[in-house]
Amino acid sequence: GQNIDQPTEMTATEGAIVQINCTYQTSGFNGLFWYQQHAGEAPTFLSYNVLDGLEEKGRFSSFLSRSKGYSYLLLKELQMKDSASYLCAVRDSNYQLIWGAGTKLIIKP
Amino acid sequence: NAGVTQTPKFRVLKTGQSMTLLCAQDMNHEYMYWYRQDPGMGLRLIHYSVGEGTTAKGEVPDGYNVSRLKKQNFLLGLESAAPSQTSVYFCASSGDPGRVGELFFGEGSRLTVL
Repeated sequence: GQNIDQPTEMTATEGAIVQINCTYQTSGFNGLFWYQQHAGEAPTFLSYNVLDGLEEKGRFSSFLSRSKGYSYLLLKELQMKDSASYLCAVRDSNYQLIWGAGTKLIIKP
Repeated sequence: NAGVTQTPKFRVLKTGQSMTLLCAQDMNHEYMYWYRQDPGMGLRLIHYSVGEGTTAKGEVPDGYNVSRLKKQNFLLGLESAAPSQTSVYFCASSGDPGRVGELFFGEGSRLTVL
């Protein structure tokens, strides 16, 4: 079966760095996405990886290793507004998105 | 910029009642999707459409129907609501998934079935 695993909840301190991991087993691979979802709101697109390596976008970076079925989202200089759920999703061979349950990130002052 | 708009935002139904959720997008996207989101679970695809006049089943289609009569609109219908359909429903649209094809989501519709 197809499966996306990510931690349920993480806690970090304002100003620090946090890494959210995502491992996947899917039928084929056509890209991996990270989305941010604040409580009670819609998911919003953060990043996309289709080749191995690191993609950097401001304070956020996303890494992909296709051979290991592994990705992480790195958030630097954490701010209180980064408190949200972070969703990992993989696009499979049929171009359908398979979603993880999300990681709730709690930022403490 | 409106993006993706869903109506209604909230609705309470009694078991057996019917309703329709409307999704409208103004980005000229070919692809549109209906998801449901339940606590502790990932987004689950109900139905999707790859263009005007087309629809296809997703992971959890039972109890739902859809129509895409116009490119900008994607309707989700519940013919006979059940308590198991209590959820938050998200509509999304995307451009060509052969490129990046990230999804743009509506604000969500919170449905409670009593």
